[in-house]
Amino acid sequence: DAGITQSPRHKVTETGTPVTLRCHQTENHRYMYWYRQDPGHGLRLIHYSYGVKDTDKGEVSDGYSVSRSKTEDFLLTLESATSSQTSVYFCAISESDKRETQYFGPGTRLLVL
Amino acid sequence: DAKTTQPTSMDCAEGRAANLPCNHSTISGNEYVYWYRQIHSQGPQYIIHGLKNNETNEMASLIITEDRKSSTLILPHATLRDTAVYYCIVSSPSGGGADGLTFGKGTHLIIQP
Repeated sequence: DAGITQSPRHKVTETGTPVTLRCHQTENHRYMYWYRQDPGHGLRLIHYSYGVKDTDKGEVSDGYSVSRSKTEDFLLTLESATSSQTSVYFCAISESDKRETQYFGPGTRLLVL
Repeated sequence: DAKTTQPTSMDCAEGRAANLPCNHSTISGNEYVYWYRQIHSQGPQYIIHGLKNNETNEMASLIITEDRKSSTLILPHATLRDTAVYYCIVSSPSGGGADGLTFGKGTHLIIQP
């Protein structure tokens, strides 16, 4: 399995609080992605990164920000969590020349009360 | 990206070959077919991909029809651990990766003992 970890694995928070999820890789892959998965919607891309300090928006980026200061870490921040952001969040990585071959982390279950 | 159509669910007996179909009639010339699966509560897992030739790896075989409008993922000797949702994704290398993968609803494959 690709070396991808996500932290925390589970989190319960209250509406209005900031939340940061971390994705860490040991594969030195250039591309990193954040997806969310909800019943009835499948996986949807939130943001992705194509290098250190290089990020772009995905399909459902509103309410989320990301940062990548090191190759191995990609952070997803919910500035002010809302109940609609209750979801399972997956991080993924891929190499530059094989971007459709993505390796996913174990996921973070976030519950916003 | 081209759309795909997969059956909602399928059953297969343990030890038999599981054949999962996918229709992608609007696929364009530079688009590949990718297969992923997601075991319950885990992140998606890359299985295999191909352009027009049949492909085989340690997990599965991919058969793509000559007109490329459909494909079949074959798990040669299904085990209970193969119970999962299987996603067929069509994407072009130049654009798909940067925008993330588009996961549909997939096929829920249930391996029966």
